[in-house]
Amino acid sequence: DTEVTQTPKHLVMGMTNKKSLKCEQHMGHRAMYWYKQKAKKPPELMFVYSYEKLSINESVPSRFSPECPNSSLLNLHLHALQPEDSALYLCASSHLGPPYGYTFGSGTRLTVV
Amino acid sequence: ELKVEQNPLFLSMQEGKNYTIYCNYSTTSDRLYWYRQDPGKSLESLFVLLSNGAVKQEGRLMASLDTKARLSTLHITAAVHDLSATYFCAVDITSGSRLTFGEGTQLTVNP
Repeated sequence: DTEVTQTPKHLVMGMTNKKSLKCEQHMGHRAMYWYKQKAKKPPELMFVYSYEKLSINESVPSRFSPECPNSSLLNLHLHALQPEDSALYLCASSHLGPPYGYTFGSGTRLTVV
Repeated sequence: ELKVEQNPLFLSMQEGKNYTIYCNYSTTSDRLYWYRQDPGKSLESLFVLLSNGAVKQEGRLMASLDTKARLSTLHITAAVHDLSATYFCAVDITSGSRLTFGEGTQLTVNP
C-alpha cells in the first residue's frame, strides 16, 4: 500500500459545527503532516507529528485540533471555523530518514458557510 | 528561515517548445522535491533530488539540482497540452520538519 487516504473528500460545515478530517497510511511512515492550501497558493504547513507526538504546530488557531491515535492515523478536529478557513486540507506522511520523500493524500475540500 | 523562490510564476507555452522553470532556495539543503498539481487535485510527486548534480528524467520532464548554487531546474522538452498544470518545488532540511514550497509555476501549454 503506497497511498495516503483522506476522508471525506468534500465537507461543507457551518460555523457552529464540529467535524473531523481523517487521514490513514500503511507505509510504515512515522511522520505525518497536515497542510492547508488556499486557491492558487502553495500548501502551508499546519502540524507535524513524529512518532505519534506533536512536534510542530505552526501557530494554528485552536479551532483546529490535531490528533494522532496511532502510527497509521491522523485526525484534524474542526470546531467553530470561520469562512476564511475554507481550503483544501492535505495530509502527508514520510519516513523520518531515508528513503526521503513525502506522500500526499488526495485532500479534503472544506467549505465553511 | 528557509525561503524557496520559483520563476516564472506563470508560463504560457506552445506545444512542441522547450522551457525551463527555476527554483532557488535560501538555506543549505541536499533535498529538493518537484510536484505537479492539477486544478482541484492533490500533489503528485514528480522528482526527488537528493544530492548535488542529481539529474532525473521522466518523459518530457527533466529535473536537476545544484546544491552549491542552491538552484534546481525543471526542463520541459517538446511540451504537450497534457503538461498543463501547476508545478511546485519544495525543500526540507531534515525529515519530519517543514517542507517549504515555492509559490508554484502555473504552466499552460497551448495547441
